[in-house]
Amino acid sequence: QVTLKESGPVLVKPTETLTLTCTVSGFPLNNARMGVSWIRQPPGKALEWLAHIFSNDAKYYSSSLKSRLTISKDNSKSQVVLTMTNMDPVDTATYYCARTIRWPGVEGLDYWGQGTLVTVSS
Amino acid sequence: DIQMTQSPSTLSASVGDRVTITCRASQSISSSLAWYQQKPGKAPKLLIYKASSLESGVPSRFSGSGSGTDFTLTISSLQPDDFATYYCQQYNAYSRTFGQGTKVEIK
Repeated sequence: QVTLKESGPVLVKPTETLTLTCTVSGFPLNNARMGVSWIRQPPGKALEWLAHIFSNDAKYYSSSLKSRLTISKDNSKSQVVLTMTNMDPVDTATYYCARTIRWPGVEGLDYWGQGTLVTVSS
Repeated sequence: DIQMTQSPSTLSASVGDRVTITCRASQSISSSLAWYQQKPGKAPKLLIYKASSLESGVPSRFSGSGSGTDFTLTISSLQPDDFATYYCQQYNAYSRTFGQGTKVEIK
């Protein structure tokens, strides 16, 4: 059974760094056709893709947020960590992690965590 | 970045209607497109990948088509469970992007 669960602070102050952890089960992070993505959704707004990481440690970032994001993984702990620096109230959102399946010509986010709401406020 | 534009933003329909949602990419993305369904308070669900391939377990009333810059998601006969928001997402470019969403409402 594949599961993903996000964890991290529910409240961060402006200018602080956010660290979120995605703990996965049911699949190994060293599977060549799988990775983990982070996506966020401000209240009442659309989904925004943030970053993803694959088994070979290849990392991809949103162009608009690249300077603020770092994604990493720990295969032994089955965890993927996303850090976002210099948080602002506009970063208030539900943050999701999702399993990403990938092979030539195909990619999809087939399992998602429940999401964690992060509020940025002083 | 590749921009994804969905239309309409909101769609009002009745049970049994045939519904079509359009997604347009700002440049060619071949068939590198996925569709997701999201219900309020829930995580999105993968419906279609590679523009037209149905994810396992998704009802056959959902179908996708298109390539290049223009794509469609069709629900052949809308069911009560289908009232939700739908998103397209491209995965052709280094940086993935979602459309702004299409909300399917009860007419």
